[in-house]
Amino acid sequence: SQKIEQNSEALNIQEGKTATLTCNYTNYSPAYLQWYRQDPGRGPVFLLLIRENEKEKRKERLKVTFDTTLKQSLFHITASQPADSATYLCALGLYSNFGNEKLTFGTGTRLTIIP
Amino acid sequence: EAQVTQNPRYLITVTGKKLTVTCSQNMNHEYMSWYRQDPGLGLRQIYYSMNVEVTDKGDVPEGYKVSRKEKRNFPLILESPSPNQTSLYFCASSLSTGLAYGYTFGSGTRLTVV
Repeated sequence: SQKIEQNSEALNIQEGKTATLTCNYTNYSPAYLQWYRQDPGRGPVFLLLIRENEKEKRKERLKVTFDTTLKQSLFHITASQPADSATYLCALGLYSNFGNEKLTFGTGTRLTIIP
Repeated sequence: EAQVTQNPRYLITVTGKKLTVTCSQNMNHEYMSWYRQDPGLGLRQIYYSMNVEVTDKGDVPEGYKVSRKEKRNFPLILESPSPNQTSLYFCASSLSTGLAYGYTFGSGTRLTVV
C-alpha cells in the first residue's frame, strides 16, 4: 500500500542545534515534494519545493534533500530558534490517473526547540 | 494582502442540517482544493478544481459537494452533515497545479456536528 511516514510525531531539539526531520514514502513515484509549516489552529504555510531531478534546495536556514532511490526527503533547520517550534508536514506531488497533479500529505512532525 | 479566506472559522451544527463553508482567494489562482484534517490521519483531500466549472473528487468526497462558478470562490457544501464529518477543514489554492507552486491555505474552519 502507499504510505508517507514522517520520522516521529514529536522531536525536541536544543536551541542553536540543527533540527533534521525525515519524510519516507513507499509505493509512490512523486514528481516533486513540498514542505509546510503548521502552527496550532492555523493553516499550513508553504516553505520549500524540490523536484524529482533535484538533490538539494536551500532557503535561508532551511535545507531540503530528496533521494528518489532511498524514497526519502530530509528537512534541516540550522541554528534552530524557539520560534521554529511548529508541526512540519511533507507532501508528495503525484500525477493522478487523469494526468492531473495531486498533493498528498504526511501526518507531520511536531518540532519543539528548547531554549 | 494575498490570501485565502474561509468562513466561518467555527461552526457547530446538528445532524442533517445543510451547511456551506465559503472559500475565496484574491490571487487569481486557477487551482483550488478542500482538505479535512483529523488527528493521526493528516490532511486528506475532499475535492479539487482545476479551473472554473472543472471539479473532481479527491480521496474522501463522500457527503460533500463543491462548485466553481467563479475563479475566486470554491464553496464546500454538506447537504446532510453527520457526526463523522466533525473535523478541521482547509481550503487551499495554487497558481496552477503543483510543480513550481506551493499551496496557499486558509485559516481553517472547525466544524462540529452533533
